[in-house]
Amino acid sequence: ETGVTQSPTHLIKTRGQQVTLRCSSQSGHNTVSWYQQALGQGPQFIFQYYREEENGRGNFPPRFSGLQFPNYSSELNVNALELDDSALYLCASSSGQGEYFGPGTRLLVL
Amino acid sequence: QKEVEQNSGPLSVPEGAIASLNCTYSDRGSQSFFWYRQYSGKSPELIMFIYSNGDKEDGRFTAQLNKASQYVSLLIRDSQPSDSATYLCAVRRDSNYQLIWGAGTKLIIKP
Repeated sequence: ETGVTQSPTHLIKTRGQQVTLRCSSQSGHNTVSWYQQALGQGPQFIFQYYREEENGRGNFPPRFSGLQFPNYSSELNVNALELDDSALYLCASSSGQGEYFGPGTRLLVL
Repeated sequence: QKEVEQNSGPLSVPEGAIASLNCTYSDRGSQSFFWYRQYSGKSPELIMFIYSNGDKEDGRFTAQLNKASQYVSLLIRDSQPSDSATYLCAVRRDSNYQLIWGAGTKLIIKP
């Protein structure tokens, strides 16, 4: 167990809807990264937050947005859901070295 | 060319043998290298990280880094059926802190 928690574990949405995923980082970790992982692929970097500020962003459209709170927990928001957004969404926290992942949220868009 | 490349496998190794997993990367400025293990349906789990050229050992695992040739490898000694998983290589650029991931190598340890 890494101490990183995510909610919900599974989610089913329909195209066009909006979704919010949540992550609580490991104690002492001030950096949170979000990834999207499609089946059979490696994780794709969405963005990273460091001390409540966005610290880097991957090739994802603006409808993917995020927040980090003073306790370093984080949210990932996705607007106008598309079928291709169906994936495992992973949150990882770090303190400078490797990243430690939560169990993920599996999102299915119908 | 992908930034981080791994052979997708599956790589089949007999129980007790050495499993060798390889990863190449394209960005010469990369500074940090990570190996993760991912069981089916689970999230990635950090096994090892390496920053300097050479070998780094941790139990049955050895990471090897060769920056001149731009490859990093993971050796698993005395392979066990529980080592069967997908192994992901990740590389951190020096310009920012984004991890760039390979697609993973599926390892199967045959009893």
